[in-house]
Amino acid sequence: LAKTTQPISMDSYEGQEVNITCSHNNIATNDYITWYQQFPSQGPRFIIQGYKTKVTNEVASLFIPADRKSSTLSLPRVSLSDTAVYYCLVGDPMDTGRRALTFGSGTRLQVQP
Amino acid sequence: GAGVSQSPSNKVTEKGKDVELRCDPISGHTALYWYRQRLGQGLEFLIYFQGNSAPDKSGLPSDRFSAERTGESVSTLTIQRTQQEDSAVYLCASRRRSRGVQDTQYFGPGTRLTVL
Repeated sequence: LAKTTQPISMDSYEGQEVNITCSHNNIATNDYITWYQQFPSQGPRFIIQGYKTKVTNEVASLFIPADRKSSTLSLPRVSLSDTAVYYCLVGDPMDTGRRALTFGSGTRLQVQP
Repeated sequence: GAGVSQSPSNKVTEKGKDVELRCDPISGHTALYWYRQRLGQGLEFLIYFQGNSAPDKSGLPSDRFSAERTGESVSTLTIQRTQQEDSAVYLCASRRRSRGVQDTQYFGPGTRLTVL
């Protein structure tokens, strides 16, 4: 299992762009990088997934350098409602069971007005 | 369509009692996961079901924990002789199939268990 390291917490203000970086030095060839968002008292929710280069959807962008040993989740113009815990996960989607997803402690993002 | 549902949303019990937590996955999802999340912590994998295959129980912390799932339907997580350290939010997730890119897990709202 590829271990991930991400900051414990981050603070930002409304309207700013937030970048959360995750390190995964021992990522395997078949591993994908997935980010989840979790609001208080709710289960995690899928945000974005990528393998290399850049992925963008309506919620966020994911930047992955060529060596894939890290990735950066970018949230454009955050609002108060983006206050949540963000989890970076690395795993092979073709695996089954617990090897499919391993959740760390995540990054607690606090957005201030 | 309906998402993953869990019941009860909150459960308060006394130490030593048994509790049963229920998860209704999204219809048609073959894979089902149970996780435990202690306050301020990440998710801890407990058990995984895939269709009629033998479940992966490798994450269960002790023999007081057990889970069942019939086919691709409802799952129940049972904790016997509850202890205070069992207090946590228990999350259930389902996945349309066990393998595949972009085939993500969909989580329920969780059951908050408090053992007094």
